[in-house]
Amino acid sequence: NAGVTQTPKFRILKIGQSMTLQCTQDMNHNYMYWYRQDPGMGLKLIYYSVGAGITDKGEVPNGYNVSRSTTEDFPLRLELAAPSQTSVYFCASSRKQEAFFGQGTRLTVV
Amino acid sequence: LAKTTQPISMDSYEGQEVNITCSHNNIATNDYITWYQQFPSQGPRFIIQGYKTKVTNEVASLFIPADRKSSTLSLPRVSLSDTAVYYCLVGDEDTNAGKSTFGDGTTLTVKP
Repeated sequence: NAGVTQTPKFRILKIGQSMTLQCTQDMNHNYMYWYRQDPGMGLKLIYYSVGAGITDKGEVPNGYNVSRSTTEDFPLRLELAAPSQTSVYFCASSRKQEAFFGQGTRLTVV
Repeated sequence: LAKTTQPISMDSYEGQEVNITCSHNNIATNDYITWYQQFPSQGPRFIIQGYKTKVTNEVASLFIPADRKSSTLSLPRVSLSDTAVYYCLVGDEDTNAGKSTFGDGTTLTVKP
């Protein structure tokens, strides 16, 4: 089982550029999430989805957008990258309260 | 969502038992308690979940007193590889892990 797969693993963006962080899961989970984790801090929820076609904001949604067209995929879009978005991004999917996380995408905005 | 409070950091030595306590005074009747472990440069990993009394698996034990206002994660005979950040989450099953709040966790450092 691949579990939760995130791509890319690393990316450097220039201020104002846009990009999409990809996330796919093969466990048929309805719930999926995007978090960001700044150095030495806990995880903050950006967006989540309870199923295909349904998304909702988390704690820190500004500057990001998501879509959920299939159960498997939950991409995160950054439209105008800013230095404050430099962070490690984790995607997760879950059943009940057991969440499965991807390996993360380390994003640097310069 | 119930707020949790954990120690910021703990130190231990190899072979010792480590107990990490989490306070959750406002836990609701439907809430479960879940612990995750995170190694550097990796996503968190589920360790254990419980509702009341004691739960044990191959990795850890979770002790929950009758009032459920706190819980203790117990790691038996830790090794250097147990050095990680440990997060305590509280929420109901319908909330799922994603809508629980990951605080700053407890950084456990195991020394030789």
